[in-house]
Amino acid sequence: NAGVTQTPKFQVLKTGQSMTLQCAQDMNHNSMYWYRQDPGMGLRLIYYSASEGTTDKGEVPNGYNVSRLNKREFSLRLESAAPSQTSVYFCASSEKGTGTEAFFGQGTRLTVV
Amino acid sequence: GDSVTQMEGPVTLSEEAFLTINCTYTATGYPSLFWYVQYPGEGLQLLLKATKADDKGSNKGFEATYRKETTSFHLEKGSVQVSDSAVYFCALSPNTGFQKLVFGTGTRLLVSP
Repeated sequence: NAGVTQTPKFQVLKTGQSMTLQCAQDMNHNSMYWYRQDPGMGLRLIYYSASEGTTDKGEVPNGYNVSRLNKREFSLRLESAAPSQTSVYFCASSEKGTGTEAFFGQGTRLTVV
Repeated sequence: GDSVTQMEGPVTLSEEAFLTINCTYTATGYPSLFWYVQYPGEGLQLLLKATKADDKGSNKGFEATYRKETTSFHLEKGSVQVSDSAVYFCALSPNTGFQKLVFGTGTRLLVSP
């Protein structure tokens, strides 16, 4: 059982380049999330999708776009990468409901030079 | 808005020492509370949770009690092991609206033999 799978695991971009981070879950969860993790700041929510066909901004959405391609897949796109977007990115999924557990992928370490 | 505050790290302990990592929260109403753990190079995984006041979550020797009166959810373990070395995140999920997680900044625990 793979859980939440993110690709790629590592990426180096030049400033201004674009890329898409892929995420897929096999747990039939309705909700999916993208977080970024920076030293001393914990995890901050970029975008989330409460259910298939919907997406909403989180705490730090600027410079990012997302697509909920289907129930399994939720991608994060950087249109014009900036050094401030150097971070570790985590995708997560959960079922709806009070107190439900979120399952996380292993992360994508992105460096923008 | 909702927020989580947890103690700065790193916390450095010897094997078999007692562990406390403090966590307090600010939220409207009565959120669900969580502790997640991140081992080196991995994503986050749920350690324990509590969904209502006075509930105690426990797992792998770790415990935390949901204290509404002090808005706290401190993590404790009676005897830590080297294998407990990781980053620990306190988080909350509101019980109204969409239940997205809000994380603290994380506390790194280092346990030496």
